[in-house]
Amino acid sequence: AQSVSQHNHHVILSEAASLELGCNYSYGGTVNLFWYVQYPGQHLQLLLKYFSGDPLVKGIKGFEAEFIKSKFSFNLRKPSVQWSDTAEYFCAVNEVTSGTYKYIFGTGTRLKVLA
Amino acid sequence: EAGVAQSPRYKIIEKRQSVAFWCNPISGHATLYWYQQILGQGPKLLIQFQNNGVVDDSQLPKDRFSAERLKGVDSTLKIQPAKLEDSAVYLCASSLERGSIGTFGSGTRLTVV
Repeated sequence: AQSVSQHNHHVILSEAASLELGCNYSYGGTVNLFWYVQYPGQHLQLLLKYFSGDPLVKGIKGFEAEFIKSKFSFNLRKPSVQWSDTAEYFCAVNEVTSGTYKYIFGTGTRLKVLA
Repeated sequence: EAGVAQSPRYKIIEKRQSVAFWCNPISGHATLYWYQQILGQGPKLLIQFQNNGVVDDSQLPKDRFSAERLKGVDSTLKIQPAKLEDSAVYLCASSLERGSIGTFGSGTRLTVV
C-alpha cells in the first residue's frame, strides 16, 4: 500500500540551529506534496505545497522544501529555527490517479525548539 | 475570510451511542473533506465531497459512519454506534481546487468511554 514516512518522530533543536525534516512516499505516479504545521492548541495550517514546476518550494515563515522525484522525497528545511517554530509538522501526499486523488498523511514530527 | 467552522469542539459519549459532527466550510469552497486523526497518527481521509457528491469514501467505515452534504455547503458526519477505537479528533477541511488538501477547521475531539 502507498505510504508516507516521516522518519523523525521527535526533534529537539536550539534556537538558530538549522532544521531538516525528512519525508518519503512510496507512490510512483503523479503526486502533489504538502507540509502542514500544527502549533500547540491550534489547527493544521498549510506551510507550503508542490504541484509542479520548480522543485524547490518556498513557504511561509522561512520554510522551504525540495521535491526530489528520484528519491521520492520532499524534505522540509529552515536555515535558522526560532522558539516559535515549536510545533508538530505533517508531510502529506496527494496521489493523482486518472483524475482521482488519494490523500495520505505522515505520522508527524514533533519539533521542540529550546530558547 | 472566515475559516472552516466545526462543532462541537469536544464530545464524550459512551460506546454504542451515536454522535454527529457539523462542518461549515469556507464560502465558495466546492470540495469538503472529513479526516480522522487518532492520537499519535497523521490525519486519515474518511470522505471527500465535491459539491454535494461523494468523490472518495473508500476509507469510511460504512457500517457505522455516514456523512452527507445535502446542499453542497455544510456537512455532517455521524457515527452510530460508536466504538472505543473511534476516539479521535475529527477534522473538516475545504478547498477551492481539487487536488489540494485544504484549509482545516479546529476539529472535534471525540472521546468514547
